[in-house]
Amino acid sequence: HFELTQPPSVSAAPGQKVAISCSGSDSTFASGSVSWYQQVPGAAPRLIIFDNNNRASGVPARFSGSKSGPSASLAISGLQTGDEADYYCATWDSRLNLVVFGGGTLLTVL
Amino acid sequence: QVQLVESGGRVVKPGRSLRLSCVTSGFSFANYAIHWIRQAPGKGLEWVAVMSYDETESYYADSVKGRFTTSRDSALDTSFLQMNNLKVEDTATYYCARDITFAVISLPNQWGRGIPVTVS
Repeated sequence: HFELTQPPSVSAAPGQKVAISCSGSDSTFASGSVSWYQQVPGAAPRLIIFDNNNRASGVPARFSGSKSGPSASLAISGLQTGDEADYYCATWDSRLNLVVFGGGTLLTVL
Repeated sequence: QVQLVESGGRVVKPGRSLRLSCVTSGFSFANYAIHWIRQAPGKGLEWVAVMSYDETESYYADSVKGRFTTSRDSALDTSFLQMNNLKVEDTATYYCARDITFAVISLPNQWGRGIPVTVS
């Protein structure tokens, strides 16, 4: 199956904005939708964005998602120390009928 | 509120079998697909399997196909993951998760806390 590529890590200062990219080379991904998950150390993953740009229940407006063709992005503004976590993108591969996760990006708030 | 609680994880020897359970509450279990996802120590998320809300469809990752089987019991609001011929590389924390979408297979939404499985 195809792969979703994320940067291993990103960092920014409190109050700043950061973007995490997610790219896939397959046409299935280009036409599909993306979800984003946040995993704080020691906890289970939590859905934060679904269908490319919809925030899950209880997720603050500081989190936003976008997708254009084979590239998706998660933006977090007004960074807080509590945002430090691993972030994963994911999509449903409708050709092979399976979920594909990106490798994850560790966000450090300096 | 929506809750999913995994159980059944333990230390097992290679080649043995194990069945995980995922007891759910707070939503209409019969209307949502249930996913299983795992995470090896220090690694990223790996999707394992999904079963549709009506049990007509089930799909598996290549790494577990032919060894793992997912099932569900709507009378118990519970999903199961039967794992046979376990390998050392199956060692991971296993999560179950409810799908995002009503009556369609898409992506995981709410997750359980996870249960560790060690094959050694």
